Amino acid sequence: SAVISQKPSRDICQRGTSLTIQCQVDSQVTMMFWYRQQPGQSLTLIATANQGSEATYESGFVIDKFPISRPNLTFSTLTVSNMSPEDSSIYLCSVDTGGYTEAFFGQGTRLTVV
Amino acid sequence: GQQVMQIPQYQHVQEGEDFTTYCNSSTTLSNIQWYKQRPGGHPVFLIQLVKSGEVKKQKRLTFQFGEAKKNSSLHITATQTTDVGTYFCAGVGDSNYQLIWGAGTKLIIKP
Repeated sequence: SAVISQKPSRDICQRGTSLTIQCQVDSQVTMMFWYRQQPGQSLTLIATANQGSEATYESGFVIDKFPISRPNLTFSTLTVSNMSPEDSSIYLCSVDTGGYTEAFFGQGTRLTVV
Repeated sequence: GQQVMQIPQYQHVQEGEDFTTYCNSSTTLSNIQWYKQRPGGHPVFLIQLVKSGEVKKQKRLTFQFGEAKKNSSLHITATQTTDVGTYFCAGVGDSNYQLIWGAGTKLIIKP
């Protein structure tokens, strides 16, 4: 299993600013995933973060808007840059301990952009 | 690309009634996972199904994986208020490890 500490849990930000979300895992994991979840919607994968290489972004998400760091096997950050109200959402980090096993999630960051 | 369709989007039930949600994939899955997300919470893993035709039970919850490994269902018998939340299926395709999420079914208990 894996325990993930994600912070901040929520924030209200001004448009045009940036917010960095952090996830710390209690064990070493190869891949970490960053999701966005709009209220009442499913999870949309933003990117996969591998240690030692650039993150792999899904269609519709770009590095300039959502830069990701993965400095080691237990930590990752996602930055939401130049925010607009459309970025208001819940952001979740996730890990799995193998390619075909359950996913573990951080508690989520509820972002409101005003 | 691969998609997993999940229906219904919402289900309103009286406490004590049954609840079912269905997932259907456009392609064969290597496995399918089910998660529950309570209001304000994050998804929590319930179970993983791997074998064709597999059926697993957890107390009042019954999970099925279709023979063709393209569809799955979750059935809750005699719902309780603690069952409230959104249930997601997430499939893993044959060709990669990535989870493909269904849209979720929100279980609402009528007052």
